[in-house]
Amino acid sequence: AQTVTQSQPEMSVQEAETVTLSCTYDTSESDYYLFWYKQPPSRQMILVIRQEAYKQQNATENRFSVNFQKAAKSFSLKISDSQLGDAAMYFCAYRSFFQGAQKLVFGQGTRLTINP
Amino acid sequence: KAGVTQTPRYLIKTRGQQVTLSCSPISGHRSVSWYQQTPGQGLQFLFEYFSETQRNKGNFPGRFSGRQFSNSRSEMNVSTLELGDSALYLCASSLGDVRGNAEAFFGQGTRLTVV
Repeated sequence: AQTVTQSQPEMSVQEAETVTLSCTYDTSESDYYLFWYKQPPSRQMILVIRQEAYKQQNATENRFSVNFQKAAKSFSLKISDSQLGDAAMYFCAYRSFFQGAQKLVFGQGTRLTINP
Repeated sequence: KAGVTQTPRYLIKTRGQQVTLSCSPISGHRSVSWYQQTPGQGLQFLFEYFSETQRNKGNFPGRFSGRQFSNSRSEMNVSTLELGDSALYLCASSLGDVRGNAEAFFGQGTRLTVV
């Protein structure tokens, strides 16, 4: 079974600074997806960024980028130029690549605080 | 395009009762998954429905069940409620049948409190 571990329960950063959230996972599969989701106080899970395991290039979405290390099974999220609206719980998630596997396996989450 | 809609948003039930939660996916999405979120256990997968069939199931007791209708709307039912069932229940929809389309889009959840 796959597992996802986020070792930082809480992180804080000054507005406009850069912060990196860590995530490691365990799987025996070679093809899979990895995601970072954001959950603000409204509770709605919002997709931040996704990475396909077969792609060596790290995904980037505006101020959000990942450092995907497949051999090390590591998938960290870097947020540049942090904004107050980035404050939320961040969840790392794993999904098998197979067509019928819609199950997401989540980490425990990291609560990110942005200090003005 | 409307997002994923979950109803009701809040629910208070008494131990032993049963409850039904509803999820309307994004138009065109055929897969609906359900997750339970609690402070202690985090986010846990309950089950997934695709084209009215349960395709995946998590490790939850038989008191938790679901179904999906021909219009892809899904319901989740919990019978004989226990205090530990108090949680945020999240529904996610996705296309479900194309390898390249992996994103799951979530609703705002239903907050269930069992007293």
